[in-house]
Amino acid sequence: DGGITQSPKYLFRKEGQNVTLSCEQNLNHDAMYWYRQDPGQGLRLIYYSQIVNDFQKGDIAEGYSVSREKKESFPLTVTSAQKNPTAFYLCASNPGLGNPGELFFGEGSRLTVL
Amino acid sequence: KNQVEQSPQSLIILEGKNCTLQCNYTVSPFSNLRWYKQDTGRGPVSLTIMTFSENTKSNGRYTATLDADTKQSSLHITASQLSDSASYICVVSGTSGGSYIPTFGRGTSLIVHP
Repeated sequence: DGGITQSPKYLFRKEGQNVTLSCEQNLNHDAMYWYRQDPGQGLRLIYYSQIVNDFQKGDIAEGYSVSREKKESFPLTVTSAQKNPTAFYLCASNPGLGNPGELFFGEGSRLTVL
Repeated sequence: KNQVEQSPQSLIILEGKNCTLQCNYTVSPFSNLRWYKQDTGRGPVSLTIMTFSENTKSNGRYTATLDADTKQSSLHITASQLSDSASYICVVSGTSGGSYIPTFGRGTSLIVHP
């Protein structure tokens, strides 16, 4: 089935460690996004990519890094520079930023820093 | 600054009852408005999309309305079921340089009791 796959679903990290969250899509979408969700808050944009080998910072990019080497993959690295990384992370895709199509979301990855 | 405000923040109703969720926005220029349903620990799923010229759109027991003049939308749920318990997120997309940029509300948490 077509869709977006995020892994792992749950992840625990010690302070000072980097961790990478995986996001893969088989929808042939050009645009991919990473959002962070905290209790009682709306989704906040971390990074987005319109095309392979190109990505842009969102509203809260500090302490995060991404890559877009393949159209179907958009991994997010949470670095030790992120001061409060415990959160629910959502990956999404869309046919393209010039297309007001639906955002398709993955099932999310919950990161907990111990 | 583009903003999306949702009310109420949370709502508890009995199974079988109707309810209405509200969304006010200040996104300009306006492109479209979507309502998403997010089950706990899952990714959001689109329920409806409305463009500037549409006033009402239904999806089963869900009916969304849009008043582009007052920049208000509502989501009405008829004959609620236990499975309707979720967070409902209003997402308004504006345009910027040919790109569609979504702004997320904080969501309304709905609990349906038997």
